[in-house]
Amino acid sequence: DAGVIQSPRHEVTEMGQEVTLRCKPISGHNSLFWYRQTMMRGLELLIYFNNNVPIDDSGMPEDRFSAKMPNASFSTLKIQPSEPRDSAVYFCASSLTTGEGETQYFGPGTRLLVL
Amino acid sequence: GEDVEQSLFLSVREGDSSVINCTYTDSSSTYLYWYKQEPGAGLQLLTYIFSNMDMKQDQRLTVLLNKKDKHLSLRIADTQTGDSAIYFCAEFPYSGAGSYQLTFGKGTKLSVIP
Repeated sequence: DAGVIQSPRHEVTEMGQEVTLRCKPISGHNSLFWYRQTMMRGLELLIYFNNNVPIDDSGMPEDRFSAKMPNASFSTLKIQPSEPRDSAVYFCASSLTTGEGETQYFGPGTRLLVL
Repeated sequence: GEDVEQSLFLSVREGDSSVINCTYTDSSSTYLYWYKQEPGAGLQLLTYIFSNMDMKQDQRLTVLLNKKDKHLSLRIADTQTGDSAIYFCAEFPYSGAGSYQLTFGKGTKLSVIP
């Protein structure tokens, strides 16, 4: 299996621009998670989906952030408009949720720099 | 509430044992995890332990769980320079109805001195 695939790996953009991050989870997994990692705040859960349905988006910073999962093999995290404080590494993770455990497999991350 | 605490830094000499500690607050946690993050990479699952176990060993890794004190540790025997990374502790505080989140600590940065 190729693991969790994220694109792009690096993104540099200017403040005010729209940014779209993409994720392909591991085939057969039914849960997908978006995290943000910064030096100051560590690893933060932004939103997670189960069976393509958003379960908890309480970690999404504000209305500028939105996430979708149109099917079991694809998800996007969009920031519009982007701001310098959004600069971080964004990770996608997927898991096969059984209710008894939650082993999440992470993608390599997208390193976002907003100038 | 749920909280996972770890010390931020650990430095050891190559060949020594490393012990990374973690405390958690949710007594309902069913699984506890250790993840490793190398520079510029995502988090990689190292090992996990089920809450009805006290110890789990996997090659150079030993996980100890003290449920009474809500304390988890990861011991790395014969630490190598390739073990230099950030190690995250995570708990699965299973609450039943549709909660699938892991709660992560802030990570311990392990530096191995040659």
